[in-house]
Amino acid sequence: GDSVTQMEGPVTLSEEAFLTINCTYTATGYPSLFWYVQYPGEGLQLLLKATKADDKGSNKGFEATYRKETTSFHLEKGSVQVSDSAVYFCALETGEYGNKLVFGAGTILRVKS
Amino acid sequence: EAGVTQSPTHLIKTRGQQATLRCSPISGHTSVYWYQQALGLGLQFLLWYDEGEERNRGNFPPRFSGRQFPNYSSELNVNALELEDSALYLCASSLARYGNTIYFGEGSWLTVV
Repeated sequence: GDSVTQMEGPVTLSEEAFLTINCTYTATGYPSLFWYVQYPGEGLQLLLKATKADDKGSNKGFEATYRKETTSFHLEKGSVQVSDSAVYFCALETGEYGNKLVFGAGTILRVKS
Repeated sequence: EAGVTQSPTHLIKTRGQQATLRCSPISGHTSVYWYQQALGLGLQFLLWYDEGEERNRGNFPPRFSGRQFPNYSSELNVNALELEDSALYLCASSLARYGNTIYFGEGSWLTVV
């Protein structure tokens, strides 16, 4: 079945460092891909999405490009802040109507000042 | 515009009891989803309701059930609670069935003692 694999964390960075969180997927067809973020004690927030190959999703300085050839959707940010500390989930849509999300295990990001 | 709202925020129940969690979708959204986020198990798809009907369910026993009301709000019922049902239950909503972006609420914490 469809699945998402994320790099294991926690990832610990200093403020202003470059961030990459790897995400690869296995799916039939070409599903939409998502990054969600979960801040401590809160629910999930959609961070960005891409709906087709070569699409780049971006938001709040974060970017991810839908790479069909490598089945990847890596999350990047050029300069992280302490406020970016959270859990990041990569996900793809699946199911007959594309309404079921399959999530990766999540990657904890800790940014030190 | 209000996002997805869930209640209660926290709920403590005894093993064997029943728990009811409630969710109001974003205005105009007709699809409601339930996910379970248990410690160590990641985010698991539970149920999807659309136009009052259950459209899909994840790999959970029948004691997990729910419904969607005419105003598109939803409730999740968990019967015969077990300790391992302790988790964050996230509700989400989207515009319609066909692959629209899914938005999550803050979640309801269920603790079974």
